[in-house]
Amino acid sequence: AQSVTQPDIHITVSEGASLELRCNYSYGATPYLFWYVQSPGQGLQLLLKYFSGDTLVQGIKGFEAEFKRSQSSFNLRKPSVHWSDAAEYFCAVGGNKLVFGAGTILRVKS
Amino acid sequence: GAVVSQHPSRVICKSGTSVKIECRSLDFQATTMFWYRQFPKQSLMLMATSNEGSKATYEQGVEKDKFLINHASLTLSTLTVTSAHPEDSSFYICSAKVETGHNEQFFGPGTRLTVL
Repeated sequence: AQSVTQPDIHITVSEGASLELRCNYSYGATPYLFWYVQSPGQGLQLLLKYFSGDTLVQGIKGFEAEFKRSQSSFNLRKPSVHWSDAAEYFCAVGGNKLVFGAGTILRVKS
Repeated sequence: GAVVSQHPSRVICKSGTSVKIECRSLDFQATTMFWYRQFPKQSLMLMATSNEGSKATYEQGVEKDKFLINHASLTLSTLTVTSAHPEDSSFYICSAKVETGHNEQFFGPGTRLTVL
């Protein structure tokens, strides 16, 4: 069965610091992997996606993620966090249907 | 491109009434749309897959007679919560699938349903 684990429920980082959000998945075939961001009371915005090819994927807002098949991971990174990045981040895996992780709430302190 | 809208964004209704939520793909056609439910501080749970011109496919544990889905056109799917009760209060989000080789989904902004 497909599953996604985001081990960190909350993460707090200082503005300007680097960020890494963890995501591990279980999937029977080569996965399609996604990272979404959700602000309170809003829908989901796609940050980036991996389908195939280069395992380092660049997304919007300065985010990137690296697919590591050997570790079944797709961690999201950003070299310098801005206060506006505070939101909830969801990792998802799937083909026709998406399975979401539980989400990681990012807090940014000034 | 690939914009999905939902209407209404918020709705408050009395227990026992029915509520209809619309999901529209504004600039593309979507033969497949999805309906998700999100409880406070929780992840999205897929409720059903809405297929244009055919019956929706419901996930296990989702009552199809309570959550009626109609996908009458390539740009519109509706979710009707029938005989709503307070426990149906939630954030409902739809997505529409772009028919590329990667089956990418684009999400609507969500509808906050509160049942009194």
